Amino acid sequence: KQEVTQIPAALSVPEGENLVLNCSFTDSAIYNLQWFRQDPGKGLTSLLLIQSSQREQTSGRLNASLDKSSGRSTLYIAASQPGDSATYLCAVRPRTGANSKLTFGKGITLSVRP
Amino acid sequence: DAGVTQSPTHLIKTRGQHVTLRCSPISGHKSVSWYQQVLGQGPQFIFQYYEKEERGRGNFPDRFSARQFPNYSSELNVNALLLGDSALYLCASSLGWSPNNEQFFGPGTRLTVL
Repeated sequence: KQEVTQIPAALSVPEGENLVLNCSFTDSAIYNLQWFRQDPGKGLTSLLLIQSSQREQTSGRLNASLDKSSGRSTLYIAASQPGDSATYLCAVRPRTGANSKLTFGKGITLSVRP
Repeated sequence: DAGVTQSPTHLIKTRGQHVTLRCSPISGHKSVSWYQQVLGQGPQFIFQYYEKEERGRGNFPDRFSARQFPNYSSELNVNALLLGDSALYLCASSLGWSPNNEQFFGPGTRLTVL
């Protein structure tokens, strides 16, 4: 059974710091991995999608990497801002089961202090 | 273009009642999935529908059911509500059936069962 882990559960950093959020998964048989942002009480905003054949994806100040063989992904946020404060979830699409099924971690709650 | 829309935004029910949640996918998207997110946890997969047919079901009791309409909108129904059904219910749409399609989530419906 695929399990996704995100540690630590919460992180607080000063504004301007570059930071890395980690995600690990137990089964490397995945189609892709997706990073999401969730503001309190809100839905999920897709940040980056990395297909299993890719190593990384970039969007603005965000860069996500994928090491499928070791079951790890990182989300790098450059020059963090208070507006980046949110919960960041990673999710994998396993190669078994329903095509649409995403398996999520519990998320990392990020607080960027002004 | 409008994103995924869900209604209602919030809902309060009592134990034993029935609830219907609605979702409209992004225009042109034919696949809809439903997820349940309990406070402090990552979303859990409930159902996937594509072209009006159920294509996947998560580990939820038969009290949960769903359907997709010819215009690709979808309903999630929950019977005999329990306190534990209190959660944020998220709908996600994607272009098609391929697991490589990116998932886009709506704002969610917050269900409170008293």
